[in-house]
Amino acid sequence: AQSVTQPDIHITVSEGASLELRCNYSYGATPYLFWYVQSPGQGLQLLLKYFSGDTLVQGIKGFEAEFKRSQSSFNLRKPSVHWSDAAEYFCAVGAEEGGSYIPTFGRGTSLIVHP
Amino acid sequence: DARVTQTPRHKVTEMGQEVTMRCQPILGHNTVFWYRQTMMQGLELLAYFRNRAPLDDSGMPKDRFSAEMPDATLATLKIQPSEPRDSAVYFCASVPGLARIENYNEQFFGPGTRLTVL
Repeated sequence: AQSVTQPDIHITVSEGASLELRCNYSYGATPYLFWYVQSPGQGLQLLLKYFSGDTLVQGIKGFEAEFKRSQSSFNLRKPSVHWSDAAEYFCAVGAEEGGSYIPTFGRGTSLIVHP
Repeated sequence: DARVTQTPRHKVTEMGQEVTMRCQPILGHNTVFWYRQTMMQGLELLAYFRNRAPLDDSGMPKDRFSAEMPDATLATLKIQPSEPRDSAVYFCASVPGLARIENYNEQFFGPGTRLTVL
């Protein structure tokens, strides 16, 4: 069965600083990987996804993620964080089950942005 | 702007009471998921439907939880009787098509129902 580990429960950065959120996955086949963001009181919103091809994926809001098969990682990055980026971030790995796609989510990383 | 809607947004009830949460997926989305989010367990998949048929509800406590999709515009999650450990935020998400990998798109999440069982 697939699994996702987000080793950092909380990350604190200053506004304007760079950001990297870590995600490691476990899956026996080619993974389908996702990053979602959850603002307080809201549902999850997709930031970006990786299926195949270029291992550096661009997403919305200036985020990018790099798939590294050798490290089983899919870390999320942003060169300059804005205060509005403060939120909960979830990494997910997808697996096919009976013709449907079923994602497994990590526990999430809470991003705190200092002014 | 098509969105997944969930009602109620907040629910406070007493232990033993029945709770019904409703979800209206985006029109045309064939696959609907129910998740539960807690601080301790994170985001857990409870059940999902494809074309209104339940495909997997192994994540759901069968003795008290039930999920149905009476029509294409409504999915329900019912807890009877409710217990304090059911307190959580319950999310519904829908996906266009059949959630098959070759045409997979993102899951569209509703805003959630925050349930508190006293």
